[in-house]
Amino acid sequence: KQEVTQIPAALSVPEGENLVLNCSFTDSAIYNLQWFRQDPGKGLTSLLLIQSSQREQTSGRLNASLDKSSGRSTLYIAASQPGDSATYLCAVYGGGFKTIFGAGTRLFVKA
Amino acid sequence: DAGVTQSPTHLIKTRGQQVTLRCSPKSGHDTVSWYQQALGQGPQFIFQYYEEEERQRGNFPDRFSGHQFPNYSSELNVNALLLGDSALYLCASSTVGVSGANVLTFGAGSRLTVL
Repeated sequence: KQEVTQIPAALSVPEGENLVLNCSFTDSAIYNLQWFRQDPGKGLTSLLLIQSSQREQTSGRLNASLDKSSGRSTLYIAASQPGDSATYLCAVYGGGFKTIFGAGTRLFVKA
Repeated sequence: DAGVTQSPTHLIKTRGQQVTLRCSPKSGHDTVSWYQQALGQGPQFIFQYYEEEERQRGNFPDRFSGHQFPNYSSELNVNALLLGDSALYLCASSTVGVSGANVLTFGAGSRLTVL
C-alpha cells in the first residue's frame, strides 16, 4: 500500500530565502509524481509533474526532483516571496486508478 | 479553455440529509475522480469514473455514490450525512496520456458543512 509523507508539516521563512520541501513514498513503482499548490479553502493548482523516467522538472523559481529508488522527491523554491505562502501537496500515481496524496506542507513567507 | 468546474462552491446541510455535488471536466478529459479533503489533511480518494462506470473506490462507505454522464460530467451523492462528512470535496479530471499516466487537473472544490 502506497503511503506518502511530507516533511516538514509547516514552515515559516523570511522573504528571499531559498527552501526545500520534502516528499517520501513507500512504493517506488510509480508512473509520475505531481506537486500541487493549495491556497486556503481553494482547489489544487498543479505546479510540476515529473514522469517516472525523469529526474527533475523546472518552472520559474520552482524545481522538483525525483529519486524513485529512494522513494523521495524534493520541491525547491528559490528566492521565496510572500505570495508563495500556501500549502504544497505531493501526489503519487502508481498505476491503477487513484493518486495518493501527502498531507502537505504549510508554507508561510514573512515580508 | 475552461478547466474543471464544480458546483455548488459552498453548501450547508444538516445531519441525515442528502447532498449532490456536480463536476464538469476539463475539455478533452474523459475521466473524473472525486476526493474528500478534511481540514488540515491531504485529499483522500473516493472513486473514479470512466465511460460512465465506477472504476475504483477508496475506503468510503456506500453512502457515497456517483454517476458519470455521456458528456463526461459527474455527480457525487452523499446520503445520510454525518458531521464527519464536513469537508472540501474536490473533483479532478484526467485522460490517459501517451505514457498511460494519470495526470490530474482539479476544480476549485465544493465546501460542505454538516450541522
